[in-house]
Amino acid sequence: AQKITQTQPGMFVQEKEAVTLDCTYDTSDQSYGLFWYKQPSSGEMIFLIYQGSYDEQNATEGRYSLNFQKARKSANLVISASQLGDSAMYFCAMIPRGYDAGNMLTFGGGTRLMVKP
Amino acid sequence: DADVTQTPRNRITKTGKRIMLECSQTKGHDRMYWYRQDPGLGLRLIYYSFDVKDINKGEISDGYSVSRQAQAKFSLSLESAIPNQTALYFCATPVSRVNTGELFFGEGSRLTVL
Repeated sequence: AQKITQTQPGMFVQEKEAVTLDCTYDTSDQSYGLFWYKQPSSGEMIFLIYQGSYDEQNATEGRYSLNFQKARKSANLVISASQLGDSAMYFCAMIPRGYDAGNMLTFGGGTRLMVKP
Repeated sequence: DADVTQTPRNRITKTGKRIMLECSQTKGHDRMYWYRQDPGLGLRLIYYSFDVKDINKGEISDGYSVSRQAQAKFSLSLESAIPNQTALYFCATPVSRVNTGELFFGEGSRLTVL
């Protein structure tokens, strides 16, 4: 079974500064995928970024990057140059890839990010 | 049109009532999922369906049932609602036919059980 831990229930960041949201995971699978989703106050789930366990380079998508440290089983999300619109809940999630798991994502408890003007 | 549509978006009901949350998707995928979101717990899988005839329990299926009426429709039912089923419920379907793991989520159904 997989487990995702997000240890920061809430965080503040000053507008235009960078922020790191922590995510650690526990799995016995050798092949897996890691995701980050954003949930603004309106409630929808928005896909941000994906990292495969065998990808050699850290994933980047615009202002989002994933700091993947496989040996430490961590997949932290880095948001550069924070904007007010980044205020939201952020969820880390993973999916095993060693077999057809049917796209069953396991989610962490989430981190609420608040960007201060 | 949204890729995944959930109805109702908001519902307040009383303990013991039967409630159905409906989901329809336009992506043409066989796979559909129901998740529940609670503060501090993230999203947890209730039920998932690989096709119309293949329905499986997820992590927290007790107190819930589902019906896959067609490829595009997957309904979640609470036969006798209780207050601790107050939560935000999401339906989802894969973005791609390749098993990338990325999901389209509906906009959520906020259920309050009094």
